[in-house]
Amino acid sequence: DVKVTQSSRYLVKRTGEKVFLECVQDMDHENMFWYRQDPGLGLRLIYFSYDVKMKEKGDIPEGYSVSREKKERFSLILESASTNQTSMYLCASSSPQGGAIYFGEGSWLTVV
Amino acid sequence: GQQLNQSPQSMFIQEGEDVSMNCTSSSIFNTWLWYKQDPGEGPVLLIALYKAGELTSNGRLTAQFGITRKDSFLNISASIPSDVGIYFCAGRGNAGGTSYGKLTFGQGTILTVHP
Repeated sequence: DVKVTQSSRYLVKRTGEKVFLECVQDMDHENMFWYRQDPGLGLRLIYFSYDVKMKEKGDIPEGYSVSREKKERFSLILESASTNQTSMYLCASSSPQGGAIYFGEGSWLTVV
Repeated sequence: GQQLNQSPQSMFIQEGEDVSMNCTSSSIFNTWLWYKQDPGEGPVLLIALYKAGELTSNGRLTAQFGITRKDSFLNISASIPSDVGIYFCAGRGNAGGTSYGKLTFGQGTILTVHP
């Protein structure tokens, strides 16, 4: 079974803090993604990566950055957290052949 | 941009009933995916469809890739209380010049099953 693991399920951070969300997948997938999910807005793509050290902006990249130093690991960084970044964050991965995308369990971030 | 309409938005059914939900797109998709999401958890892949007309089953779940490539449906037979959750469809169009094709998500169908 595909396993996408997000390191933190629940985080509470203060406004202005730097936040790291880590994600690891064990299927040797080239593609990895970060989404956020908010009530009424659905799933929105923040960033994706199709190879190590490669990244592309999704629909809502403002306020976020990412890092992909190893194929299995994709990190989402909030340089200076703000309250409007309180959300559920979902990491996902897929093979490059246009196959299914597999999600992690989600990370609930609250910024106070 | 691509639009994906999922219906119904919510369903309240009795245990044992069959369920049907569908998604329609304004443009052609090459892949249709169906996910279930439990409260507080990430979406779990139920069924993946890759060819127009394809009909695939996973236990009590059956999904079809419409022949026009603009729609897909998911059926759940003989529902049980643990079927409760939010069901999402997702479609992917052409990847273009890259190996990645953007996934478009439906708004979700909230399913409630009364014992």
